[in-house]
Amino acid sequence: TQLLEQSPQFLSIQEGENLTVYCNSSSVFSSLQWYRQEPGEGPVLLVTVVTGGEVKKLKRLTFQFGDARKDSSLHITAAQPGDTGLYLCAGVASGTYKYIFGTGTRLKVLA
Amino acid sequence: DTGVSQNPRHKITKRGQNVTFRCDPISEHNRLYWYRQTLGQGPEFLTYFQNEAQLEKSRLLSDRFSAERPKGSFSTLEIQRTEQGDSAMYLCASSLARATNEKLFFGSGTQLSVL
Repeated sequence: TQLLEQSPQFLSIQEGENLTVYCNSSSVFSSLQWYRQEPGEGPVLLVTVVTGGEVKKLKRLTFQFGDARKDSSLHITAAQPGDTGLYLCAGVASGTYKYIFGTGTRLKVLA
Repeated sequence: DTGVSQNPRHKITKRGQNVTFRCDPISEHNRLYWYRQTLGQGPEFLTYFQNEAQLEKSRLLSDRFSAERPKGSFSTLEIQRTEQGDSAMYLCASSLARATNEKLFFGSGTQLSVL
């Protein structure tokens, strides 16, 4: 069974601070995605990483895919209250189109 | 707005009743996924379709759950003889099949409460 563990589970920080969220698995994924979800809504895709070691930037968000394609990280620089939400990673293994979601990291950024 | 549409948004039912949810995907999308999510957790895979074919179904899904996608367009998820443990947000997502960089677009979900 493929599992994606995220850490930390909860994070409460002040506006302007930096943070990193981790997504780890013992399984290899052909690609990994990051989503953000707000209460009462479905997740919204932020980025897809495909190549081991790949780094993608989306404004103040930096995403990295591990060299072995088993883990990923999301780094937010100078967090803002608008970054508040549930961050989810999701991986898909080779030969399947089933997206397995991580356990989630709930981020709260205080003004 | 041509996003993924789910109906109803909320459903309250009594234990033992049957419920059915509907998902209308983005029109040109050929893949459709169903997930279940409980508060503060990540979505849990239930099943997915490519066009009208149901290609994979979670082993966690009991025989009380069934999903269909007639004609490869909208999809329905039915839960028979609901139990309190079925209370959750049921999410639908659709995508356009690609070799790489497939993007899932989610609906706003149906929140089920079983009393």
